[in-house]
Amino acid sequence: EAQVTQNPRYLITVTGKKLTVTCSQNMNHEYMSWYRQDPGLGLRQIYYSMNVEVTDKGDVPEGYKVSRKEKRNFPLILESPSPNQTSLYFCASSLRGGGGIRTDTQYFGPGTRLTVL
Amino acid sequence: AQSVTQLGSHVSVSEGALVLLRCNYSSSVPPYLFWYVQYPNQGLQLLLKYTTGATLVKGINGFEAEFKKSETSFHLTKPSAHMSDAAEYFCAVTGYNQGGKLIFGQGTELSVKP
Repeated sequence: EAQVTQNPRYLITVTGKKLTVTCSQNMNHEYMSWYRQDPGLGLRQIYYSMNVEVTDKGDVPEGYKVSRKEKRNFPLILESPSPNQTSLYFCASSLRGGGGIRTDTQYFGPGTRLTVL
Repeated sequence: AQSVTQLGSHVSVSEGALVLLRCNYSSSVPPYLFWYVQYPNQGLQLLLKYTTGATLVKGINGFEAEFKKSETSFHLTKPSAHMSDAAEYFCAVTGYNQGGKLIFGQGTELSVKP
């Protein structure tokens, strides 16, 4: 089944304890992205990747890191989480990383609910 | 810069009634517009999208939306609501210079009363 998977689905942690949220897609998509969803704000892009080894900042990158060493995986790293990073996180992917991305459908994972105490 | 405004954070309709969810956008470049649906505890699923061509776009589950450039709107409609339509709906916009980034509205939660 074609899908985007995220792990863990739920995570409660404490301030300053490094964590990684994994994202994997099995559709051979070039483009991958991370969003965070907060009440009343919709979804905002954190980072994106056009292809392997190509990443760039979205609108709210502060406090996050990403890497894209393999086409299928795009982990989100919080080096020193803070309470303002408590949120619902979504990974997304789409087929093309070039000019077609604006019209291609983005497929979303099921979300990771993170609480930082 | 691009932005999206969804009028009404909560909309309630009766089963069988018309569903109308409003979306207005702002864009300095030709927009590409999307509606996504989010069911409880699930990720977002694409309902429909407008890229080019016909301005009336039909999507899944009986939804449709019309791109009106003069009104900068992309409202979502469904003639007859079902209980299963209860969910949160997001309108989003992107453009050719956005690097694939979707700009989302704040979302509209749709409730369907029996």
